[in-house]
This record gives sequence, C-alpha cells and structure tokens, in this order.
Amino acid sequence: NAGVTQTPKFQVLKTGQSMTLQCAQDMNHEYMSWYRQDPGMGLRLIHYSVGAGITDQGEVPNGYNVSRSTTEDFPLRLLSAAPSQTSVYFCASSYSTGRRNSPLHFGNGTRLTVT
Amino acid sequence: GNSVTQMEGPVTLSEEAFLTINCTYTATGYPSLFWYVQYPGEGLQLLLKATKADDKGSNKGFEATYRKETTSFHLEKGSVQVSDSAVYFCALRGEETSGSRLTFGEGTQLTVNP
Repeated sequence: NAGVTQTPKFQVLKTGQSMTLQCAQDMNHEYMSWYRQDPGMGLRLIHYSVGAGITDQGEVPNGYNVSRSTTEDFPLRLLSAAPSQTSVYFCASSYSTGRRNSPLHFGNGTRLTVT
Repeated sequence: GNSVTQMEGPVTLSEEAFLTINCTYTATGYPSLFWYVQYPGEGLQLLLKATKADDKGSNKGFEATYRKETTSFHLEKGSVQVSDSAVYFCALRGEETSGSRLTFGEGTQLTVNP
C-alpha cells in the first residue's frame, strides 16, 4: 500500500517555465488537495477536489491549475512559474465529508525552486 | 473564518524534559482538532485528534485535550526523546467545512538534545 505518492521530489524551474506536479493515491479516497508550505506560514490550501470531475479553489489558487479525471490522480500545474512559487508542495487525501474524523494522508512533498 | 494560532518556535529541550506546545483556535460551532507531526524530509503524519469538547487525544506519549471554554488544544508530553525532534502542526476542520479542508497553524519546530 503506497499511500500518497508525489513526483518529482525536487525541481528547479526558470521564471516563465511550466510544469506539472504529480500526485497519486491508492486508498480510494474521494478527497484530494494541494498545499504549499512556506516558513512561518504553515500550510496553505491551493486547490482541492471532493471527487473525480470536481475541483475547487483554496486560499492561494492564483498561478495554479488542477484537474481530477480519475479518483487516483490529482496533478497540479504551474502554467508560468514565478519566484513567489518557490515552496514545498504537499498533496494530501482523505475520505469524504461524511467522515469528519477522517485524517489527511500526506505525500512526502515536492521541493520547487523558481529562479 | 477559521484560524489556528500556535506558540512560536523553535523550542529546544533536553531529553526527558516536559513538553507543552500551545494551540488556540477560532471557529464557529464544534470543529474537529488535530495535531500533525512532520519529520525531516517527510510529509505530515497524524499524531492525534479530538472531535468534541473535553475529548483527549493521545498517541506515542503525546496528549492534547479539546477545551471548548478556552478554545485550546495544547500538546503535551511528559518526557521527550531525541526522536521527537520534528515540526508539530495544530489543525482544525470546521463543522461547516466542505470536503475535508483543514486549517493549519504555523508549525512549531521542536529540537530535543541528548
């Protein structure tokens, strides 16, 4: 049971480049989400999805796109990278709203640097 | 909106010392409360949780009690070990929260010296 798998672990981009951060889970979780972690700011929610075909914005969605074509995968796209997007990105999943006690399961993160 | 405030770090302790990391929250109704731990180079892992007032969550010697009257969920451990060195996050899920959205505190870095 792999849990939540994120790739790549590290990435360096130049300003203006695009890339996709991959996230996959094998726990049949309905809910998936992306957070970014910055020093002194905790984790901030970028986008989330409550099921295949459904996505919504979190606190800091600008500059990021997501899609959810399958239950397992939830990729995060940066269309034109900016230095302000230098951060550590975490994907997390859980069972749905009906189970309020269901904890989030996190991947090991992607460390992104934009120069 | 919902918010979580944690005590500022970093916190440095000697092995076997008593640990308290303060966490207070703002939310309407009765949120669920969580503590997550992040070891170096890893993602966050659930440490413990509490879902209603006066519940006590516990795991690996850590404890936290859901105090509705003081809107707090302080993390405690009686005797810390070097292996407890990590970043600790307090988080809440509001009653009205769609999906499984969590609101996180800023995180508290704990270093335990032998």
